[in-house]
Amino acid sequence: QQQVKQSPQSLIVQKGGISIINCAYENTAFDYFPWYQQFPGKGPALLIAIRPDVSEKKEGRFTISFNKSAKQFSLHIMDSQPGDSATYFCAASNGAGNNRKLIWGLGTSLAVNP
Amino acid sequence: DAMVIQNPRYQVTQFGKPVTLSCSQTLNHNVMYWYQQKSSQAPKLLFHYYDKDFNNEADTPDNFQSRRPNTSFCFLDIRSPGLGDAAMYLCATSSDLDNEQFFGPGTRLTVL
Repeated sequence: QQQVKQSPQSLIVQKGGISIINCAYENTAFDYFPWYQQFPGKGPALLIAIRPDVSEKKEGRFTISFNKSAKQFSLHIMDSQPGDSATYFCAASNGAGNNRKLIWGLGTSLAVNP
Repeated sequence: DAMVIQNPRYQVTQFGKPVTLSCSQTLNHNVMYWYQQKSSQAPKLLFHYYDKDFNNEADTPDNFQSRRPNTSFCFLDIRSPGLGDAAMYLCATSSDLDNEQFFGPGTRLTVL
């Protein structure tokens, strides 16, 4: 059972455009929602994360929008650049201490055309 | 710089020949994770250590074992690698103060 559903599976955007990736979750106990960026042959790197007490978080060109009632969150990449071409994973987490682990979306492959 | 280090970066082994992958961290985090990631898939958690407490995922095959001799090091042992175990193996760490996981660069395992 996929607890975090991510869409689209792949995305092609022109340079300077806006990339939008969406995730939906089921478990209302989730309290941490990160986005990871992964380049080929590298480990995932945390891009930006949000907690459910805020509806939006912005860091540079990257923004997370969070809709608690709809149980959805999305990543917006403004002014997309070819260097942003990577795979993006959303995730969600709950629990504490020994029980804490990330539940991952299936990933979105983003290609930004020059 | 504080970081998560994985060795080797590339490992080739033969079918059925045991292999050990290593992970070390300078972040002094008390939680360490091992993930398996196959091409075009999300990382799949195999197990994690919370301090010395080992937590195995229910669907992790017995073929995969782990050791954590101290805070800084963690090892992944694959006792009898099969062709289906060829993958990228990722180590990650986190502090028990928050959920952020820091990943190493991964070890690419090839099974011949």
